[in-house]
Amino acid sequence: KAGVTQTPRYLIKTRGQQVTLSCSPISGHRSVSWYQQTPGQGLQFLFEYFSETQRNKGNFPGRFSGRQFSNSRSEMNVSTLELGDSALYLCASSILAGGPDLITGELFFGEGSRLTVL
Amino acid sequence: DQQVKQNSPSLSVQEGRISILNCDYTNSMFDYFLWYKKYPAEGPTFLISISSIKDKNEDGRFTVFLNKSAKHLSLHIVPSQPGDSAVYFCAASADNAGNMLTFGGGTRLMVKP
Repeated sequence: KAGVTQTPRYLIKTRGQQVTLSCSPISGHRSVSWYQQTPGQGLQFLFEYFSETQRNKGNFPGRFSGRQFSNSRSEMNVSTLELGDSALYLCASSILAGGPDLITGELFFGEGSRLTVL
Repeated sequence: DQQVKQNSPSLSVQEGRISILNCDYTNSMFDYFLWYKKYPAEGPTFLISISSIKDKNEDGRFTVFLNKSAKHLSLHIVPSQPGDSAVYFCAASADNAGNMLTFGGGTRLMVKP
């Protein structure tokens, strides 16, 4: 069974540019979450999509956006890149809706997309 | 404002001994707590979890303890093995928050042979 696939794995952008990252969840999983990992802040929640609807959003500026397609694949976009956006962006999928199900239906993470902004 | 904190950025233990990783939280709405392990260049992998209605959950060498009154949880690994060397993240979620997790900053565990 294929895991969570994220593309691209590595990318370098310059300030002011925009970037789109892609995530293909495990087959059958309807929930996709995005997290940003930086050395100073750890993993921070960006947003979660479930059945093409954004269910939760973290405390990030509007430059960060996402969407989910009918096949559950998800993309996130960061516009007007800043140096501080350099991070590992992790996608996680789950077959379940969360809440109490989290105890048995844990999130499965991809390997991440490492973004460097110069 | 960090709602989940792991105050020890690193921990070093001898193989065969116990590893104890600690985590504190401030949000009383958190109902579920999870531990993830992360190796370099890989995504985090689920280790063990606990609901707030329990105070202990055990899975093989891994045990998680929850002290709700202190808003503190800990992960015990007994016996520790060199392959356990990784970064461990504590995470928490509230019942109405879907799959949104709030993570701690992580603790790097090094198990020496």
